[in-house]
Amino acid sequence: ETAVFQTPNYHVTQVGNEVSFNCKQTLGHDTMYWYKQDSKKLLKIMFSYNNKQLIVNETVPRRFSPQSSDKAHLNLRIKSVEPEDSAVYLCASSPRLGGSYEQYFGPGTRLTVL
Amino acid sequence: GEQVEQLPSSLIVQEGASVLINCSYTDSASVYFPWYKQEPGKRLQFIIDIRSNMERKQNQRLTLLFDKKTKHLSLHITATQPGDSAIYFCSASNYAQGLTFGLGTRVSVFP
Repeated sequence: ETAVFQTPNYHVTQVGNEVSFNCKQTLGHDTMYWYKQDSKKLLKIMFSYNNKQLIVNETVPRRFSPQSSDKAHLNLRIKSVEPEDSAVYLCASSPRLGGSYEQYFGPGTRLTVL
Repeated sequence: GEQVEQLPSSLIVQEGASVLINCSYTDSASVYFPWYKQEPGKRLQFIIDIRSNMERKQNQRLTLLFDKKTKHLSLHITATQPGDSAIYFCSASNYAQGLTFGLGTRVSVFP
């Protein structure tokens, strides 16, 4: 099956802990993304990444960082989570880094920070 | 940066009726406008897109209109079915910046 896969589905943690979410795409795409979807369904881009370039949304706190081992994987690490980090984190991929390609989304990881 | 406004925020229609969702953006450098559908508990699903060199695109019951001059898009869904109930998101893309999404339109179709 070719798609975008995310683990875990859910994660509950306490303020100050470190968490890491995994994303893998089997579509052969060059570019991957992380988005945050809050409780009001607002979707915001966090990172765009391919093997040559990382683009960070300037509003993303520095405790967030993407980690990639190859072009099929882009994990998201949050160092010292805060209550406002509670959200669904969506991973996506597209064939190229550029504005005219459809993005394919994973099912999301729901983070709850107590 | 780019801002995308989407209206209305919610719609309730009877099965068989049509739905119109409006979207506007601010960045004239945006070139690609995909729309996504999100059903409860499911992943974002691509439904239709348009590029800035086009004015109209149709995919079965979906028609997407684009006006570059006014920076406005509208999605028309005809002959709605209960399976069309979802949140619909308009988005705009400016090359490497990822997608900027509107706040979504929650569509509820009742039999």
